[in-house]
Amino acid sequence: AQKITQTQPGMFVQEKEAVTLDCTYDTSDQSYGLFWYKQPSSGEMIFLIYQGSYDEQNATEGRYSLNFQKARKSANLVISASQLGDSAMYFCAMREGQAAGNKLTFGGGTRVLVKP
Amino acid sequence: ETGVTQTPRHLVMGMTNKKSLKCEQHLGHNAMYWYKQSAKKPLELMFVYNFKEQTENNSVPSRFSPECPNSSHLFLHLHTLQPEDSALYLCASSQGRTNTGELFFGEGSRLTVL
Repeated sequence: AQKITQTQPGMFVQEKEAVTLDCTYDTSDQSYGLFWYKQPSSGEMIFLIYQGSYDEQNATEGRYSLNFQKARKSANLVISASQLGDSAMYFCAMREGQAAGNKLTFGGGTRVLVKP
Repeated sequence: ETGVTQTPRHLVMGMTNKKSLKCEQHLGHNAMYWYKQSAKKPLELMFVYNFKEQTENNSVPSRFSPECPNSSHLFLHLHTLQPEDSALYLCASSQGRTNTGELFFGEGSRLTVL
């Protein structure tokens, strides 16, 4: 079974509008971390936002916010006021436990295309 | 300019060639990783090194041979590869045991095996 599921292979969003990217995860650990990365066409994976499993508040970083619903095991990314430069692949990832090495398991990604 | 640099950015090789991918991190981290990104598949963790010691080999075929001479450098030696090994190979680093475990990635080496 997949540990990270991103059900939206691709999305169009109008410039200046908000977009929500879905992510659900599966783990039996009590302590884990959830991440979102952006991958533009250059290939580099750019860290966007982090949510710890014990964090009570949803994480926010500028125009990015993470809608963390622990009971549903979902960690959706919300991008507000979309810009043309937001066009990229977006990956949800999870770190389980506190083991050394910080291994991340990634979802299949969602391609976002921002329309002017 | 990123804190993690990968060379070469693009590599084309035949199945009988031997080549190497290089990764260097300038962030003072103590953990380094190799991930494989194939078309239409999630990123796959290949190897993890902590303080130069390999701590994870995710059932990677022996035609991929990693080397970590120090905490700043990581290599992936390639020999007798198959066409299905064509992919983007991403190197990453992290601070090891940290509060978040964020990985810092390079731009990747795109490998094509003919």
